[in-house]
Amino acid sequence: KAGVTQTPRYLIKTRGQQVTLSCSPISGHRSVSWYQQTPGQGLQFLFEYFSETQRNKGNFPGRFSGRQFSNSRSEMNVSTLELGDSALYLCASRSRLDNSPLHFGNGTRLTVT
Amino acid sequence: GEDVEQSLFLSVREGDSSVINCTYTDSSSTYLYWYKQEPGAGLQLLTYIFSNMDMKQDQRLTVLLNKKDKHLSLRIADTQTGDSAIYFCAEGGGTNAGKSTFGDGTTLTVKP
Repeated sequence: KAGVTQTPRYLIKTRGQQVTLSCSPISGHRSVSWYQQTPGQGLQFLFEYFSETQRNKGNFPGRFSGRQFSNSRSEMNVSTLELGDSALYLCASRSRLDNSPLHFGNGTRLTVT
Repeated sequence: GEDVEQSLFLSVREGDSSVINCTYTDSSSTYLYWYKQEPGAGLQLLTYIFSNMDMKQDQRLTVLLNKKDKHLSLRIADTQTGDSAIYFCAEGGGTNAGKSTFGDGTTLTVKP
C-alpha cells in the first residue's frame, strides 16, 4: 500500500501571498489530519477531516483552512502568509475516527520570505 | 489541556540499550504512541500501546506503561547508529479522539 503522499515537498512564498498544500491519504483511510512542526512550538495540531467534514480544529487563526474531497484527499490553505508560518506541514491519515494511529507523510517544507 | 513531556536529548554508545521516557497528563488516553523522525522526513510510527497494557515488546523495542504515574518509556535494545533520530511520544486523543498531543521529541544520538 502506498503511504501518505504530500505535495509539493518544498515551497517558497513571500509574505502576504497564499499557499495550498495537498495530501493524499493511505488508500482506505478516511480521516486526514494536519500538523504544523516548528523548532519553537513543536508539533501543533491544525485540524482533522473525516468524510469531508472538519471534526476537530486546533488553535490557529482563520488564515489556516482546509477541506477534504470525496476521495479523502485533503488540501490545506494558508492565506496572507506571515514569516512565522514558515514550518514543516505534516499530513497524517488514520483508518477510523477513534484512537487508531496516525500515519504521516514526509511533509511540505514552507518557507515564507 | 493535555500535555506530553519528554527529555530533549539522549546519547548512548552503539550496542547499548536506550531508554526514552515520557509523561502525559490525559488520564483518558486509550492509546499511547512512539514515533521516529529522521532528518527531512515525516514521522514514522514505531509502536503503540493500549492503556490497559503494562508492556509491549516488538523486536528490539519494548514499551512500558505505568498508568498510575502516567509514565511511558521506550527501550531500544542493541542501539545502532541508524537509530539516531528524534523520538516522539504521543497520546491518542482520549476524549478528543480526533487529534493527538505530541511531546517535543527526544533527540537520540548513537555514538560508534
